[in-house]
Amino acid sequence: DAGVTQSPTHLIKTRGQHVTLRCSPISGHKSVSWYQQVLGQGPQFIFQYYEKEERGRGNFPDRFSARQFPNYSSELNVNALLLGDSALYLCASEGLADNEQFFGPGTRLTVL
Amino acid sequence: GQNIDQPTEMTATEGAIVQINCTYQTSGFNGLFWYQQHAGEAPTFLSYNVLDGLEEKGRFSSFLSRSKGYSYLLLKELQMKDSASYLCAVYKAAGNKLTFGGGTRVLVKP
Repeated sequence: DAGVTQSPTHLIKTRGQHVTLRCSPISGHKSVSWYQQVLGQGPQFIFQYYEKEERGRGNFPDRFSARQFPNYSSELNVNALLLGDSALYLCASEGLADNEQFFGPGTRLTVL
Repeated sequence: GQNIDQPTEMTATEGAIVQINCTYQTSGFNGLFWYQQHAGEAPTFLSYNVLDGLEEKGRFSSFLSRSKGYSYLLLKELQMKDSASYLCAVYKAAGNKLTFGGGTRVLVKP
């Protein structure tokens, strides 16, 4: 049974560009959350989606947006990239129970 | 607000025991997670505590005191592969949100 998958694995962009990151949750999980992890820090919550609706949002600017598709996969979009957006972007797949929170391998974004 | 504190770094010897403390002050609490994260990899689930007390799972145990806003992760019989960062995270059901501490980097020496 596949775990959480994310693509791409690595990405290099320049300032001002935009980026789309993708996530597929564990089969049967209907909820995904996105986190940003800057090197040396813990992950910071960006968004949570359930049944295609946004259920939670962290303290991130409007340059960050996301959506969830009918198959429960999700995309995270970041516009007008800044150097400070360089980070590991993690997607967490969530089941019905509170303790069913599993992370994907992440996408490492480097902004030059 | 949310405030989760854990030590930045700890060093221990192979075969020894290490205890990683986590204190939290959060608005809303439904449970506390511990994750292990090796460098460059995603966090992997270790434990989830909802009620007060100790939960043991092999070499790893996790303790929670909700009244004190305190948890610890106990790693026994340390192995070299346990060298990693350990993340404490408070779960809040409203918003289905995890709030993480900064992580504790554990270095296991031979």
